[in-house]
Amino acid sequence: NAGVTQTPKFQVLKTGQSMTLQCAQDMNHNSMYWYRQDPGMGLRLIYYSASEGTTDKGEVPNGYNVSRLNKREFSLRLESAAPSQTSVYFCASTMGGYEQFFGPGTRLTVL
Amino acid sequence: AQSVTQLDSHVSVSEGTPVLLRCNYSSSYSPSLFWYVQHPNKGLQLLLKYTSAATLVKGINGFEAEFKKSETSFHLTKPSAHMSDAAEYFCVVSDLGGSYIPTFGRGTSLIVHP
Repeated sequence: NAGVTQTPKFQVLKTGQSMTLQCAQDMNHNSMYWYRQDPGMGLRLIYYSASEGTTDKGEVPNGYNVSRLNKREFSLRLESAAPSQTSVYFCASTMGGYEQFFGPGTRLTVL
Repeated sequence: AQSVTQLDSHVSVSEGTPVLLRCNYSSSYSPSLFWYVQHPNKGLQLLLKYTSAATLVKGINGFEAEFKKSETSFHLTKPSAHMSDAAEYFCVVSDLGGSYIPTFGRGTSLIVHP
């Protein structure tokens, strides 16, 4: 039982490049989330998926897109990376209303 | 609407002394409340949760929190700090119905001095 896994762990991009962050969970959770964490800002919600087949914007969705590929997988795409997107990205999942389970994070640097 | 305020961005204690991390919340519904811990360069781990059962909640590593509805507070305490407790702590509020979108506080950095 791996919990929530994220790939890659580290990534360096140049401005304008694109990339996809992958997230998978093996706990049969309905809801999945993408957050970014910046110093002094806590965790800010980018997008979430309340259930398979649905996605919704969170607090800071600009510059990002998501895909809920199936119940297990929820990917985050940066189409044209900007330095302001330098951050640590966390994926999380939950059964709904209960505690979230977090992945180990992806450290992204955009030059 | 719901919100969380962590009243201290940094708390500094000596090893062996009590820890108090303060959290106030607001919620339109009966809330679920959580404390998570994040050690440096790690993901978030659940410390404890309140989901409308006992108001005094015990968590891992000797931490506990008390839900006080009249004060809209959910402060985290530990009787005796250990060096390994040095980390970032997040208070989170959510409601149990409908779309589950938790709200995070900005975090409190706990510093433990030898």
